[in-house]
Amino acid sequence: GQQVMQIPQYQHVQEGEDFTTYCNSSTTLSNIQWYKQRPGGHPVFLIQLVKSGEVKKQKRLTFQFGEAKKNSSLHITATQTTDVGTYFCAGPQGAGGTSYGKLTFGQGTILTVHP
Amino acid sequence: DADVTQTPRNRITKTGKRIMLECSQTKGHDRMYWYRQDPGLGLRLIYYSFDVKDINKGEISDGYSVSRQAQAKFSLSLESAIPNQTALYFCATSDFWADRHTGELFFGEGSRLTVL
Repeated sequence: GQQVMQIPQYQHVQEGEDFTTYCNSSTTLSNIQWYKQRPGGHPVFLIQLVKSGEVKKQKRLTFQFGEAKKNSSLHITATQTTDVGTYFCAGPQGAGGTSYGKLTFGQGTILTVHP
Repeated sequence: DADVTQTPRNRITKTGKRIMLECSQTKGHDRMYWYRQDPGLGLRLIYYSFDVKDINKGEISDGYSVSRQAQAKFSLSLESAIPNQTALYFCATSDFWADRHTGELFFGEGSRLTVL
């Protein structure tokens, strides 16, 4: 079945350093979503990427979708302590034609930021 | 108040017991999901429902059942709990438009279940 692999599993950075997490799917994705889960919290939707090669920015966060639509990355510039949490990528199961909410999640990257 | 409410938030039970986790939402969404989170495994889909009369199995439905009592309520049951069902369970919702376009899920606060 479809697999979504995410690396690294953990990342420890000093405040101000950059951070990147990578996501790879075993199948071509119609779109990819990113979620953030704060410690003790629930996943919160960050963004969806749809187009091949798409790049979107949200302040210090940059999201990319690969040309083949099988990989994606999230880059945070100059991390802050508020960036702490687990970042998940997720792709629709199957063709995603009927529901983009049926997701296969990556394992997540746990980011810790040392002040 | 949370838009997606899960009860109980924490539960410890014993092997063989029947457990029900409840989810209610005030977002008016028609689509509801149950996901399970385990460390190092991300979230995995257990069941989902597109409306009251529509129930579908996800990738890990064995050992679980669900009930969609109303548009706003979606319950997950473990008929006979076992230790490897110890996990954090999330209910999520989406509306038809978002589900077909952005895919955005709105998650509840989670129910942490421990099976001894």
